[in-house]
Amino acid sequence: DGGITQSPKYLFRKEGQNVTLSCEQNLNHDAMYWYRQDPGQGLRLIYYSQIVNDFQKGDIAEGYSVSREKKESFPLTVTSAQKNPTAFYLCASLDPTISTEAFFGQGTRLTVV
Amino acid sequence: DAKTTQPPSMDCAEGRAANLPCNHSTISGNEYVYWYRQIHSQGPQYIIHGLKNNETNEMASLIITEDRKSSTLILPHATLRDTAVYYCIGARLNYGGSQGNLIFGKGTKLSVKP
Repeated sequence: DGGITQSPKYLFRKEGQNVTLSCEQNLNHDAMYWYRQDPGQGLRLIYYSQIVNDFQKGDIAEGYSVSREKKESFPLTVTSAQKNPTAFYLCASLDPTISTEAFFGQGTRLTVV
Repeated sequence: DAKTTQPPSMDCAEGRAANLPCNHSTISGNEYVYWYRQIHSQGPQYIIHGLKNNETNEMASLIITEDRKSSTLILPHATLRDTAVYYCIGARLNYGGSQGNLIFGKGTKLSVKP
């Protein structure tokens, strides 16, 4: 079945450690997105990528990094420079030549202690 | 991309129609109105989208005003499982060029009550 997968669902890290969140899709979508969601808040855009080997900062990119070496994969690294990393992280993909109907993963809940 | 404004919360009785409003007065001519919903702690789910004409699918209906400055998402017979946060977004459909961001606001928290 086609879809977008985030792993793991829950992640715990110690303060000061970098952590990488996985996002994989087999929908053949060019565009991929990372969002952050805090309790009771909407989604805020961290980074997005229109095509392989290209990505742009969103509204809250500080303290995060991404790569897009393969069409299927768009990993997000939460670095130690991110002041408040504990949040729910969502990855999405879409094919802008067809539709802006975005497909979302089920999210990764990151807790930094 | 157009900024959208939605009420923070709404209640609806089970079995009744839920009408969720969205203002998008700055929407441009080539921006579609998209609706998504997010059930607690899950990824958002696409519901429907439209440009100028009213749209209907198996989940909902979308009514867009003639001046395109506002729209209403209608869930015709709300159930308890429709309790979620509903997001209204303005986004361009772009063939091969740079795709606009998908900007999600805080949405409307719909509570369907028995």
